[in-house]
Amino acid sequence: DADVTQTPRNRITKTGKRIMLECSQTKGHDRMYWYRQDPGLGLRLIYYSFDVKDINKGEISDGYSVSRQAQAKFSLSLESAIPNQTALYFCATSDGGTAKNIQYFGAGTRLSVL
Amino acid sequence: EDQVTQSPEALRLQEGESSSLNCSYTVSGLRGLFWYRQDPGKGPEFLFTLYSAGEEKEKERLKATLTKKESFLHITAPKPEDSATYLCAVQGRSGGSYIPTFGRGTSLIVHP
Repeated sequence: DADVTQTPRNRITKTGKRIMLECSQTKGHDRMYWYRQDPGLGLRLIYYSFDVKDINKGEISDGYSVSRQAQAKFSLSLESAIPNQTALYFCATSDGGTAKNIQYFGAGTRLSVL
Repeated sequence: EDQVTQSPEALRLQEGESSSLNCSYTVSGLRGLFWYRQDPGKGPEFLFTLYSAGEEKEKERLKATLTKKESFLHITAPKPEDSATYLCAVQGRSGGSYIPTFGRGTSLIVHP
């Protein structure tokens, strides 16, 4: 089984709909992240969380919200989806207890907003 | 603000044709420079971390090097299975949160 699991893997939705992307991990890491990836733009950070009670905005948080339900679970919500939120979304984790901060990524969720 | 620029955006090589990918960066106090490999339809996978100028790391046909302004990922005698997008990221000390900043990546295609 994958250490970082994202569900769903693919999602098609309509403008204005609320959707949730889920991420769970079995690595025991305290830090979790949500990124979006667009062709030619690389990975951009949406939100990150260093523990269950810590939530921080990234560089492109507008239009998104997150919930850290447990150390192992971090979900991303689009309250009212719009077409320019069509992208590939990645969840990642890292161990804050080491100085290395290597990130481990899920397989991604491909989201299309029509 | 930390910045990462990767070049070239895309690179096509023949099998066995060695080359290098570049990652130029500006950062306030480097804590680490990371290289990741990303295959189509998958999440990035960690390759190397470099911490100080002069450091080098190797894995199979890949060798990463670091100076104070840039890092190179050298690919020696590449094979088609090395085809992927290679991402560079830097982690600085600004703000105390140590969040990495990613470059846009270099898409490598190795033809047999």
